[in-house]
Amino acid sequence: DAGITQSPRHKVTETGTPVTLRCHQTENHRYMYWYRQDPGHGLRLIHYSYGVKDTDKGEVSDGYSVSRSKTEDFLLTLESATSSQTSVYFCAISESGSEAFFGQGTRLTVV
Amino acid sequence: GQNIDQPTEMTATEGAIVQINCTYQTSGFNGLFWYQQHAGEAPTFLSYNVLDGLEEKSRFSSFLSRSKGYSYLLLKELQMKDSASYLCAAWPPLGTNAGKSTFGDGTTLTVKP
Repeated sequence: DAGITQSPRHKVTETGTPVTLRCHQTENHRYMYWYRQDPGHGLRLIHYSYGVKDTDKGEVSDGYSVSRSKTEDFLLTLESATSSQTSVYFCAISESGSEAFFGQGTRLTVV
Repeated sequence: GQNIDQPTEMTATEGAIVQINCTYQTSGFNGLFWYQQHAGEAPTFLSYNVLDGLEEKSRFSSFLSRSKGYSYLLLKELQMKDSASYLCAAWPPLGTNAGKSTFGDGTTLTVKP
């Protein structure tokens, strides 16, 4: 299995608070991704990174920011959490930008 | 853009063969991928097609026709453990927004005894 770890695995937070999710990889893969998965919507790309300090927006980036200061870590920050951001968040890694390996997911609940 | 359509649900019988279709409208892509996702778990890679035709891997095969905007995943000798969601995903050309993949909403397959 690809070495990819997400933390925390579960989190409950209050509306309006900032939240940071962490994705850590041990594979030295170039590409890292953050997706959210909601019933009826499948996986939707939030942001992705194609190298250290190189990031780009996905289709649902509003309200989220990311940072990648090291190859192995990709952080997703919800600047001010809202109930609509309650979801399961998956991090994924890829060497070539194609086949991806996913982390186990973070279940975030915003109350 | 890349719009991907899959059936929402399918049911099949243990030991049978099932075909899960995926149609897409895209302005260009590099590969068409299939992932399996069991309830409460992360997606795992199953198969992909870059060229037209059939890619066979043990019980799972995937087919692509770029001219028809169509792909399918074929599962043979179905087992109960194959009950899962199957996600179709289009990957953009390498070097061009390479990270901006698009996933279909997934097809939930239920295998019955």
